[in-house]
Amino acid sequence: GAGVSQSPSNKVTEKGKDVELRCDPISGHTALYWYRQRLGQGLEFLIYFQGNSAPDKSGLPSDRFSAERTGESVSTLTIQRTQQEDSAVYLCASSLEAAQYFGPGTRLLVL
Amino acid sequence: QQQVKQSPQSLIVQKGGISIINCAYENTAFDYFPWYQQFPGKGPALLIAIRPDVSEKKEGRFTISFNKSAKQFSLHIMDSQPGDSATYFCAASKGQGAQKLVFGQGTRLTINP
Repeated sequence: GAGVSQSPSNKVTEKGKDVELRCDPISGHTALYWYRQRLGQGLEFLIYFQGNSAPDKSGLPSDRFSAERTGESVSTLTIQRTQQEDSAVYLCASSLEAAQYFGPGTRLLVL
Repeated sequence: QQQVKQSPQSLIVQKGGISIINCAYENTAFDYFPWYQQFPGKGPALLIAIRPDVSEKKEGRFTISFNKSAKQFSLHIMDSQPGDSATYFCAASKGQGAQKLVFGQGTRLTINP
């Protein structure tokens, strides 16, 4: 079956602009997660959804970051007023239980 | 307490050899320990995972060894192949069902032909 998909695959933006990143989870997976991976680093947790609610958003770095999930499927991560330190790969994962399955990521470059 | 420490940072192994990557954790509430494999430009792929009720789990050439008392777990890749060259991440989470993963910093593995 289809895996987790993310769009766009690459995004180049100017400092100060807003960006929206999209994640389509595996069909039927109730949990959806966002992580950030800086170059050569491990993955940092940002937020996760169980259904449409977000029980844990402790990893969001600032109030410029927000996420929503509608219809227990698609999720959007929004970064407002982007900064150069936001440049990273943003990874989405979904799960039914503990095992999380990742998408290919969105590579964000803020100039 | 939320950290997972992974070593080594990089590892070079000859084809056919055994690759061993180690992780240590502090939070005793962690009870799910997966390993991920990541190729350049791709998302991490789940390789194998273990829970603390067993000390070892094997899937093909990949084995997780788990030492609950030492709070350590390791990935062993037997008969390592050039196609295994990738970055490997250990992770941990607590509780049943959906929970956030805490990742190690990764190990870049190179298998020389």
